[in-house]
Amino acid sequence: QLQLQESGPGLVKPSETLSLTCSVFGGSITTNTYYWGWVRQPPGKGLEWIGTFSYNGTTFFNPSLQSRVTLSGDTSRNQLSLRLGSVTASDTAIYYCAIVLRQRWLRRDYYYVDVWGRGTTVTVSS
Amino acid sequence: DIQMTQSPSTLSAFVGDRLTITCRASQTVHSWLAWHHQKPGKAPKVLIYRVTTLQSGVPSRFSGSGSGTEFTLTISSLQPDDFGTYYCQQYKSYPWTFGQGTMVEIK
Repeated sequence: QLQLQESGPGLVKPSETLSLTCSVFGGSITTNTYYWGWVRQPPGKGLEWIGTFSYNGTTFFNPSLQSRVTLSGDTSRNQLSLRLGSVTASDTAIYYCAIVLRQRWLRRDYYYVDVWGRGTTVTVSS
Repeated sequence: DIQMTQSPSTLSAFVGDRLTITCRASQTVHSWLAWHHQKPGKAPKVLIYRVTTLQSGVPSRFSGSGSGTEFTLTISSLQPDDFGTYYCQQYKSYPWTFGQGTMVEIK
């Protein structure tokens, strides 16, 4: 069964770029069956979707973050990456990666979370 | 964006009680709705997707119902392990959006 483990710097300075990785175990990030999502949760608050990525080129972003977010994958390490630029204190959160699956219905695709990673905490502070 | 609103915000109940959590969408999400459960300090877990389909390993005391804009999550007999926060989430259109959460406490 696929498992995910996020990792990152823990502390990032304001205006810098946050870089996180999500290691995938038990399967390949290039498998057509899987898509990969990122969701974050500010301290004591609810969940905010960041984006969804796949190696076949399908990528979706939350418009509120799209201008600052890059999603990619490293096949040599079987890892996913999230980069968030120009961070501020409001980007302080637990960041989760997730396995996303696709359902096809009436010639349209719908993507849903199947498994969550454990999350990694990021604090933006000088 | 589709707004998701859950009620109640908090719920306190005894072991064995039947619980119902409601989730309303600001516009139809058809049947593209999931429920997630998060315990304090832990990552969320998927309970249900497509309104009624239980994720593998989820106990049968959990069930989902609804369509369009109104949905419910029911726990038929609350167990001690069911404490935590429950979130509904629509995936009918981007951006995905989540409800604000319903915190369940065991009396």
